[in-house]
Amino acid sequence: KQEVTQIPAALSVPEGENLVLNCSFTDSAIYNLQWFRQDPGKGLTSLLLIQSSQREQTSGRLNASLDKSSGRSTLYIAASQPGDSATYLCAVGRETSGSRLTFGEGTQLTVNP
Amino acid sequence: ETGVTQSPTHLIKTRGQQVTLRCSSQSGHNTVSWYQQALGQGPQFIFQYYREEENGRGNFPPRFSGLQFPNYSSELNVNALELDDSALYLCASSLHSHPRTGELFFGEGSRLTVL
Repeated sequence: KQEVTQIPAALSVPEGENLVLNCSFTDSAIYNLQWFRQDPGKGLTSLLLIQSSQREQTSGRLNASLDKSSGRSTLYIAASQPGDSATYLCAVGRETSGSRLTFGEGTQLTVNP
Repeated sequence: ETGVTQSPTHLIKTRGQQVTLRCSSQSGHNTVSWYQQALGQGPQFIFQYYREEENGRGNFPPRFSGLQFPNYSSELNVNALELDDSALYLCASSLHSHPRTGELFFGEGSRLTVL
């Protein structure tokens, strides 16, 4: 059974700081890994999708890496802003499982002005 | 904007009642999946629909059922509501070329409170 763990559970940083969110998974037989952002009481916004054959993806100030063999992914946020405050969720998918994603419990990020 | 729309956004029910939640998938997406997110937890997979048939199910009892329509929209039905069913229910759509799957796009969710 796939298990996804995100560390830390909560993080508070001053504006402008670069930060790293961590995600680990127990079964390396994944098809893809997706990072999402969730604002309080809202749905999920897709940030980055990494296919299992890829090592990283970048979008603006965000960079996600994937090391499938070690079961790890990191989300790097550069020059953090108060608007980045949200919960960040990591989810992994298996090729044979269609749209079934296994999620971590998220990292709650607060960026202080 | 994801293009996935869900209704209603909020609703309150009592134990034992039944509820139907609705989802319109993003244009061109043929696969819909449903997730339950309890407060402070990550979303849990309920099931997915592809070509109007259930195509994968998580660890949820049969009182959770669904439908997918020819236009790819979908419904989630929950019978005999229990207090623990209180959660945010999320719908996601994707373009699914079986067996591979692509990026999932989520709606804003339906917040269900069971009293």
